[in-house]
Amino acid sequence: KQEVTQIPAALSVPEGENLVLNCSFTDSAIYNLQWFRQDPGKGLTSLLLIQSSQREQTSGRLNASLDKSSGRSTLYIAASQPGDSATYLCAVTPTGANSKLTFGKGITLSVRP
Amino acid sequence: NAGVMQNPRHLVRRRGQEARLRCSPMKGHSHVYWYRQLPEEGLKFMVYLQKENIIDESGMPKERFSAEFPKEGPSILRIQQVVRGDSAAYFCASSPLERGGYTFGSGTRLTVV
Repeated sequence: KQEVTQIPAALSVPEGENLVLNCSFTDSAIYNLQWFRQDPGKGLTSLLLIQSSQREQTSGRLNASLDKSSGRSTLYIAASQPGDSATYLCAVTPTGANSKLTFGKGITLSVRP
Repeated sequence: NAGVMQNPRHLVRRRGQEARLRCSPMKGHSHVYWYRQLPEEGLKFMVYLQKENIIDESGMPKERFSAEFPKEGPSILRIQQVVRGDSAAYFCASSPLERGGYTFGSGTRLTVV
């Protein structure tokens, strides 16, 4: 059974800091991995999608990497801003016939002005 | 493209009543997924549907919960005889392909009083 872990559960950093959010998964047989952002009381916004054959994806100040063999992904946020404060979730899609996402519990990020 | 539309945004039901949650996928998306987010927990898969077919309902409670995605109209998640433990945020996601990138709706927040 796939398990996705995100540690720590919460993180507080000063504005301008570069930071790394970690995600680990137990079963390396994944089809893709997706990072989402969730603001309080809101839905999920997709940030980056990495296919299993890819090593990383970039969008603006965000860069996500994937190491399937070690079961790890990282989301790098450059020059953090207060507007980046949110919960960041990673989710994996398995290979095979099952296409449901397995989510981590998320990392709640607070960027202090 | 209006994205994934869920309604209502907030729903209050008394114990024993029925709750109906609606989800209209993005235009061109034929794969619909329902997830539930309980307080302090991650998102958990409930059911995966394509038009007129339930593909995977392994995450659905065995009783009181049902889902459909008819040929015409939105996908419906139905909860009969709601109990306090059903209070949660219910999210719908759609994708154009199986295991494609997912787009989530803003969710329906169900409160059972």
